Amino acid sequence: TQLLEQSPQFLSIQEGENLTVYCNSSSVFSSLQWYRQEPGEGPVLLVTVVTGGEVKKLKRLTFQFGDARKDSSLHITAAQPGDTGLYLCAGVRTSGSRLTFGEGTQLTVNP
Amino acid sequence: SAVISQKPSRDICQRGTSLTIQCQVDSQVTMMFWYRQQPGQSLTLIATANQGSEATYESGFVIDKFPISRPNLTFSTLTVSNMSPEDSSIYLCSVASQGTEAFFGQGTRLTVV
Repeated sequence: TQLLEQSPQFLSIQEGENLTVYCNSSSVFSSLQWYRQEPGEGPVLLVTVVTGGEVKKLKRLTFQFGDARKDSSLHITAAQPGDTGLYLCAGVRTSGSRLTFGEGTQLTVNP
Repeated sequence: SAVISQKPSRDICQRGTSLTIQCQVDSQVTMMFWYRQQPGQSLTLIATANQGSEATYESGFVIDKFPISRPNLTFSTLTVSNMSPEDSSIYLCSVASQGTEAFFGQGTRLTVV
């Protein structure tokens, strides 16, 4: 059983559309992070959320941490081809110390 | 943040041989991590490399297959030994900032033929 479940696993949309990626768990996390990875590169940190209910914005990207700190979402407004990549959520459980990664969401934005 | 240089970026190797991947960090870090990733999929932690002690391996990974060196606080190597086609994957080194935020090298894409 995956500790962090991401959905959807694959998403192909047209430029200008909006989308939301979800990261869910039954465990409580002290923090959750979102990464984007492009082909041939390692994952790059986008944001860290630490407080339940926290919302962070990064240009057209909005990240939310659930009130109970068990889930998170990433919303992209007016997607662009440059947003194409693998999006990974990751977190550290309150009961642990290791960073755990979700399964990933492969996003393709078509021009 | 940390800048991580990993090499080689890709290699094609014959089965039965070994490949050593190098990871250089621009600052001193206590722990370095080695991951394996199938293209488009999530990351699987292989081991944690601690300076001055043996690496800590995750379930399913053993030192004989993936020996790790950590000679100082800025450098580590991962060797993939006696390779088979099943070892074809992307291998990534990583360091953690403030305990949780991870920074990655660009990865090594390994193909075993």
